[in-house]
Amino acid sequence: GAVVSQHPSWVICKSGTSVKIECRSLDFQATTMFWYRQFPKQSLMLMATSNEGSKATYEQGVEKDKFLINHASLTLSTLTVTSAHPEDSSFYICSARDEFSTTSAYNEQFFGPGTRLTVL
Amino acid sequence: AQSVSQHNHHVILSEAASLELGCNYSYGGTVNLFWYVQYPGQHLQLLLKYFSGDPLVKGIKGFEAEFIKSKFSFNLRKPSVQWSDTAEYFCAVLGLDNTDKLIFGTGTRLQVFP
Repeated sequence: GAVVSQHPSWVICKSGTSVKIECRSLDFQATTMFWYRQFPKQSLMLMATSNEGSKATYEQGVEKDKFLINHASLTLSTLTVTSAHPEDSSFYICSARDEFSTTSAYNEQFFGPGTRLTVL
Repeated sequence: AQSVSQHNHHVILSEAASLELGCNYSYGGTVNLFWYVQYPGQHLQLLLKYFSGDPLVKGIKGFEAEFIKSKFSFNLRKPSVQWSDTAEYFCAVLGLDNTDKLIFGTGTRLQVFP
């Protein structure tokens, strides 16, 4: 149980285009999902917290108009990188909490496999 | 502000050697602590976690970690590593006054040679 998927697993796009990344909780419902960014050989940095049915909460320094987050259902959150530029190239990882689980603790996050974005 | 330090950036061991990876955090309140592993080309997986109770926690694949509150540490240990333990290891802390913000350390790359 508690599986999180991401699509696509990798994407290459031209500078100036927009890219949408999906994060799905496959076997549980998640009112809260998280989006992280991981640069090569560096740690994961929280970008934003995605809340089902309401606006996302962005970390300091993350442009909300650049990284659009939509959490339209209890199993899907999307991250859209608008007008992507080469400096947006990175590994984007989402996670979700299984808040209704009777087996995992509320604070445990389950991570997706990540999406590698390359902007040319 | 919360922060997590992993002092070992790259560790190289032979099979059967013992492993200890350091993790120190900075936070003034109650915390939940985690160790995650990322095998090459795979997603983050939870190795073990500490929420409360016994400070020595055991995880999957023979790993354990000890929470020492006075030292703000949560070091990861394994008595005998295997080649298959080659991976990136991340320590993470969650401050209980903001359970939406999981802070990761910079990670430790472990290479185990047969």
